[in-house]
Amino acid sequence: SYGLTQPPSVSVAPGQTARMTCGGNDLGGKSVHWYQQKPGQAPVMVVFDDSNRPSGIPERFSGSNSGNTATLTINRVEAGDEADYYCQVWHSSTDQVIFGGGTKLTVL
Amino acid sequence: QVQLQESGPGLVKPSETLSLICNVSGGSVSRDYWSWIRQAPGKGLEWIGYVYFHGRSNSNPSLESRVTISVDTSKNQFLLNLRSVTAADTAVYYCASSHQLLFDSWGPGTLVTVTS
Repeated sequence: SYGLTQPPSVSVAPGQTARMTCGGNDLGGKSVHWYQQKPGQAPVMVVFDDSNRPSGIPERFSGSNSGNTATLTINRVEAGDEADYYCQVWHSSTDQVIFGGGTKLTVL
Repeated sequence: QVQLQESGPGLVKPSETLSLICNVSGGSVSRDYWSWIRQAPGKGLEWIGYVYFHGRSNSNPSLESRVTISVDTSKNQFLLNLRSVTAADTAVYYCASSHQLLFDSWGPGTLVTVTS
């Protein structure tokens, strides 16, 4: 079955750039979506279709996808960005929705 | 933007059926896909399944023998039934609007605990 791999944790100092990866076979051929989840809250989509931001999401959030890896980048990280981040795809050949295991972003 | 709200029992006994309702406002269930997702305590997100407005559904292979997802257009809601639950089904259950199978709106979630 298809799987998405995310590092369990990423740490970054305030004001720096955070990069979180999502790995999967031929991931560049799929549309990748990213969600931010803060403790006790429902997830919120921050990037869709690899690199698009929903309305209300700061421009500091961006995404890319190529080869076997998608990346969520957060520029000028703030304390409020501390959260779990999940990548997600729809695997069309099996008609299944797949989530990555999630990455915990810690702002030092 | 559409708003979603889960409702249902917070406690379910082992071997019984977990039943949840997602009420949709600010939009109609008579379009697109609607999904259920869960999150066990301290764990990641797990997709349970979706229903398309005309009734077609699909679910996670790990759960599909126990899951039924349906839509009630007259009440503008969609439903989840999960049969023969065990403690492993204890989780926060989310409903979500899933336009093109990405999740653009989520309910706040409801904790369901399986316990005797």
